[in-house]
Amino acid sequence: DAGVIQSPRHEVTEMGQEVTLRCKPISGHDYLFWYRQTMMRGLELLIYFNNNVPIDDSGMPEDRFSAKMPNASFSTLKIQPSEPRDSAVYFCASGPGNSYEQYFGPGTRLTVT
Amino acid sequence: QQQVKQSPQSLIVQKGGISIINCAYENTAFDYFPWYQQFPGKGPALLIAIRPDVSEKKEGRFTISFNKSAKQFSLHIMDSQPGDSATYFCAASSGETSGSRLTFGEGTQLTVNP
Repeated sequence: DAGVIQSPRHEVTEMGQEVTLRCKPISGHDYLFWYRQTMMRGLELLIYFNNNVPIDDSGMPEDRFSAKMPNASFSTLKIQPSEPRDSAVYFCASGPGNSYEQYFGPGTRLTVT
Repeated sequence: QQQVKQSPQSLIVQKGGISIINCAYENTAFDYFPWYQQFPGKGPALLIAIRPDVSEKKEGRFTISFNKSAKQFSLHIMDSQPGDSATYFCAASSGETSGSRLTFGEGTQLTVNP
């Protein structure tokens, strides 16, 4: 298996622009997680899905952030409009339904200028 | 109560030495305690994990020690190598109330000098 796939790996955008981050989880995994990592706040869980259904979005910073999982093999995290404070590395992780293990993707480094 | 406190923030060890990273938690509902290893530019990777029904788990040079009464667990890296230099995160989960949701510690940056 190729593992969790994220795209793009790097994104540089200007403040106010829309940003879409993409994730393909490991085939057969029931859970999908979106995390944000910064030096100041560490690893923060933004939202997670179980069988494509959002279960907990309490970590989503504000209404500018939205996430979707239209099917078992694809999820997006959208920021609209983006702000410089959104600059961070965003990770997607997936996990099987029969354990607590999570497998992380390589991340997307987002820079908002 | 959902927090996991990790220490130290950074650690420098000589090659061949023992690296020890500690974590403490408050939520007694936590029932799964993994450690993740992250290299620069990569995503965290599951290293080793333990359930509270055992006090120790060993995989190669990596050992988790778990103290349920003290609500603490630690990672020991024996014979530390320069290739172990990375950031280590402890985490915890309580399946009944949060599915597979993990609460992560703040991370420890380990440097192993040759």
